[in-house]
Amino acid sequence: EAQVTQNPRYLITVTGKKLTVTCSQNMNHEYMSWYRQDPGLGLRQIYYSMNVEVTDKGDVPEGYKVSRKEKRNFPLILESPSPNQTSLYFCASSRGGLQYEQYFGPGTRLTVT
Amino acid sequence: GQSLEQPSEVTAVEGAIVQINCTYQTSGFYGLSWYQQHDGGAPTFLSYNALDGLEETGRFSSFLSRSDSYGYLLLQELQMKDSASYFCAVRVDGTGGGNKLTFGTGTQLKVEL
Repeated sequence: EAQVTQNPRYLITVTGKKLTVTCSQNMNHEYMSWYRQDPGLGLRQIYYSMNVEVTDKGDVPEGYKVSRKEKRNFPLILESPSPNQTSLYFCASSRGGLQYEQYFGPGTRLTVT
Repeated sequence: GQSLEQPSEVTAVEGAIVQINCTYQTSGFYGLSWYQQHDGGAPTFLSYNALDGLEETGRFSSFLSRSDSYGYLLLQELQMKDSASYFCAVRVDGTGGGNKLTFGTGTQLKVEL
């Protein structure tokens, strides 16, 4: 089954404790992206990757890091989480770019206290 | 930066037709996408318009006017299952081309009997 998986689905953590949210897709897609969703703000792009070792900032990259060492994986790293990073996070992938359908993962609900 | 405007809420009756408008201000515009998101779920791709005109996919159609920086999503023969949030999103310039995506804040569609 074609899918995008994220782990964990839910996470409660404390300020400053480094964490990684994993994202994996089994569709051999070149393009992958991370978004955060907050009430009243819609989805905002954090980082995206065009292919292995090619990443760039979206609209809200501050406080986040990403890496793309393998085509299927695109982890999101919060080196020192803060309460304003409490949000619902979605990973997505598409073949070739945004002119094609983006497939979203189920989401990760993160709470930073 | 980019800005998009769409109505926050629309209500319609089952079987009716509803149009959700989206106006945008952006630079480096490549195209306009629409996504659907049910409560508690992940966004799902509905359509992408790069050129002016109407694209039809089943009960859903999407329209773009690049000169007016305007688009809309048209939903026909509304069903209760169409109750969801609908987001427009502009594809804009980023590394290697149009690889950034900025979303509107979403339109909550309520379909009533």
